[in-house]
Amino acid sequence: EAGVTQFPSHSVIEKGQTVTLRCDPISGHDNLYWYRRVMGKEIKFLLHFVKESKQDESGMPNNRFLAERTGGTYSTLKVQPAELEDSGVYFCASSQDLISGGARETQYFGPGTRLLVL
Amino acid sequence: AQSVSQHNHHVILSEAASLELGCNYSYGGTVNLFWYVQYPGQHLQLLLKYFSGDPLVKGIKGFEAEFIKSKFSFNLRKPSVQWSDTAEYFCAVNAKGGNKLVFGAGTILRVKS
Repeated sequence: EAGVTQFPSHSVIEKGQTVTLRCDPISGHDNLYWYRRVMGKEIKFLLHFVKESKQDESGMPNNRFLAERTGGTYSTLKVQPAELEDSGVYFCASSQDLISGGARETQYFGPGTRLLVL
Repeated sequence: AQSVSQHNHHVILSEAASLELGCNYSYGGTVNLFWYVQYPGQHLQLLLKYFSGDPLVKGIKGFEAEFIKSKFSFNLRKPSVQWSDTAEYFCAVNAKGGNKLVFGAGTILRVKS
């Protein structure tokens, strides 16, 4: 079974530019999460999709961040315009469901996208 | 709001030494608890998890963790570390049936061969 994949692995952009990150969850996982780790800080939740719907976007820093999950499969996270403080590692994770408990609630992470805004 | 505290940011051990990484969480309800590990150049991997039942859980590569509810703790242990255990370790928690994971700041473990 393929794991969570993310693209690109690295991105270097200038302040003011736009970047789009992509996440492909494990097949059959309804839940998709975005997290971010800014250098030296803890990994922080950004938002959660259940299929194509945003379940919780309480962690999104501001309106420069836009996440989508059209069709309930892969997701994109767009940062427009990028600022210096957006630099960090963006992780995506997926899980099967929240109801059953146990293994189906476990979140599996992708390798992350390292974003550097200059 | 939930929070997770990991006691050590950097730990250096010699091979065969015993390991214990502390993790305390703050949350009033029932939680799921996790330890994730990130080896150099690799992505976050699940080391072990606690959902319910026996508070002593065993994970991969000889790791174990004990959930002590009265202390809000979920410390990670390994009796004898190896050089290959060099990695960053993250404790995380979420509410039962909840979604977002709340992570600790991470502990970088370096094992000297």
